[in-house]
Amino acid sequence: GESVGLHLPTLSVQEGDNSIINCAYSNSASDYFIWYKQESGKGPQFIIDIRSNMDKRQGQRVTVLLNKTVKHLSLQIAATQPGDSAVYFCAETMGRRALTFGSGTRLQVQP
Amino acid sequence: DAGVIQSPRHEVTEMGQEVTLRCKPISGHNSLFWYRQTMMRGLELLIYFNNNVPIDDSGMPEDRFSAKMPNASFSTLKIQPSEPRDSAVYFCASSSPGQGSYEQYFGPGTRLTVT
Repeated sequence: GESVGLHLPTLSVQEGDNSIINCAYSNSASDYFIWYKQESGKGPQFIIDIRSNMDKRQGQRVTVLLNKTVKHLSLQIAATQPGDSAVYFCAETMGRRALTFGSGTRLQVQP
Repeated sequence: DAGVIQSPRHEVTEMGQEVTLRCKPISGHNSLFWYRQTMMRGLELLIYFNNNVPIDDSGMPEDRFSAKMPNASFSTLKIQPSEPRDSAVYFCASSSPGQGSYEQYFGPGTRLTVT
């Protein structure tokens, strides 16, 4: 599939463990954030989003935390599964403008 | 819904040739985005349209790149003449203001190789 990046930071976890992926965003005026998952050979896929007026949002097995003070975003994946192996991107935007993507983190789940 | 459709999925061409990438957004979506993904630069926005009108093309690398959206269901990204440094995966994405979020739905991408 398409090569996303050979030099991405990599997080390696055991199946069943919880994963935490971190992201530092750049624009303090950004008001909306999204986490995307990209599997090899595919386009980015939406996981979860959060608005700047929130500091936490939960989905199915995933939680996003937002710390606007330090411009930090994290994605927590509970009970990580082999199917979670992918590259994860955070993205930010202000208003309805286009997204600015972070550089990505590769998650490797060991069986 | 078939999702965002891109064609071709793979394109190999020689330097100097014209390349045209195509995108069909999700029906009803009024915003369309073109991104480029490379190992060195990650995902970069090239241009985006709202209601078929280009809003921000500041990410277009140079005059060799052009994009059009003649109607709500079709967009093209053209590179003329192509160069080896244009080799990348090109993604098209669409979104709709009616969903209450800014989520963008991505197509499967076109892998372009310029030799």
